Amino acid sequence: EVQLLESGGNLVQPGGSLRLSCAASGFTFSSYAMSWVRQAPEKGLEWVSSISASGDSTYYTDSVKGQFTISRDNSKNTLYLQMNSLGAEDTAVYYCAKEYSSSSSSLDYWGQGSLVTVSS
Amino acid sequence: SYELTQPPSVSVSPGQTARITCSGDALPKKYASWYQQKSGQAPVLVIYEDSKRPSGIPERFSGSSSGTMATLTISGAQVEDEADYYCYSTDSSGNHRVFGGGTKLTVL
Repeated sequence: EVQLLESGGNLVQPGGSLRLSCAASGFTFSSYAMSWVRQAPEKGLEWVSSISASGDSTYYTDSVKGQFTISRDNSKNTLYLQMNSLGAEDTAVYYCAKEYSSSSSSLDYWGQGSLVTVSS
Repeated sequence: SYELTQPPSVSVSPGQTARITCSGDALPKKYASWYQQKSGQAPVLVIYEDSKRPSGIPERFSGSSSGTMATLTISGAQVEDEADYYCYSTDSSGNHRVFGGGTKLTVL
């Protein structure tokens, strides 16, 4: 059974940093691209970042480029999102998700989400 | 930046067919997928690669794509299908992903 378990969400002050983790199990983690998706309160889904299976290629939505860093440790089956210079606009539930295949960006499995609140 | 456009809301009576559209310039060349999100829950994939249905998703869910528009169809919508639905695809480069704004489906 595929499982994705996010952790690291917390209350952080504006300008602070946070690192989210996503522990994966039930599939060959090193064979699949992974993504982070966020959802601000009462808002829609927003794609944040994706990383290739090997970790060699990374992609970001424009609003977090230079601020967030996606990475993965295939030996630990874990995905990360390092978030710096956080602002109120980054308050959201952050989901990690597995991509279906190399030819399809579809997200076939999702974690339950980790809440990040940026507030003083 | 690339955008996918969905109607904010769709309303049908139980047993009727609900159609939710998603328009985007790159859709003729890029797959769309669809996600169902019920209140307080993580999204669930209901259609991938335009028209394929994952195992466990009821047959009443189907997808299609023509030109710059992808469509999610729920044939014989049920009350439990009430949810927000999002389309998802990539820009023409294939590197940047994007969600549509979401459509709230009401079945009553």
